[in-house]
Amino acid sequence: NAGVTQTPKFQVLKTGQSMTLQCAQDMNHNSMYWYRQDPGMGLRLIYYSASEGTTDKGEVPNGYNVSRLNKREFSLRLESAAPSQTSVYFCASSSRGRWEQYFGPGTRLTVT
Amino acid sequence: DAKTTQPNSMESNEEEPVHLPCNHSTISGTDYIHWYRQLPSQGPEYVIHGLTSNVNNRMASLAIAEDRKSSTLILHRATLRDAAVYYCILRDEDQGGKLIFGQGTELSVKP
Repeated sequence: NAGVTQTPKFQVLKTGQSMTLQCAQDMNHNSMYWYRQDPGMGLRLIYYSASEGTTDKGEVPNGYNVSRLNKREFSLRLESAAPSQTSVYFCASSSRGRWEQYFGPGTRLTVT
Repeated sequence: DAKTTQPNSMESNEEEPVHLPCNHSTISGTDYIHWYRQLPSQGPEYVIHGLTSNVNNRMASLAIAEDRKSSTLILHRATLRDAAVYYCILRDEDQGGKLIFGQGTELSVKP
């Protein structure tokens, strides 16, 4: 199993550009999550999807949109990137009835 | 969401036990105590969780105070590969299993 995969690994954007971060899991998990981590900080939840077809806001949803495309895939879209969105983005997934979340390797995004 | 308080950093010697403390004085009855760790340049990984009783697994032990207002993650023999940021998190299953991360404790291990 590949676990949780994220693409791209690195990305540089100019202010105002848009992009979509992709996340996929092959563990048949129900729930998926998007976090961001700023330097020296803990992770903050952006959006999550408790099950296919549902999405909910986390702590810091402004400036982002998400799509739960199917059970495997959960994408995060920045419509108009801002320098404040420079961060490392982590995707995670978990199974209903199980405790642990499994995290991907992260996407390092720089907005200039 | 209930909050946790952890020391910013701790040091340990290799092959010695490490006790990482966490205070969570506002914990509610339905909050589970979870620990994750994040190795440099990686995503977090699950370590252990518990509700009221002490818990052991292959990675660590979790000791929970009787009043549940504090807990301690115990690494029995620290190795250099245990150098990481350790996060103590309260998780309410009624809120979609969300994890609310704090700052964590950065553990360094000296050879």
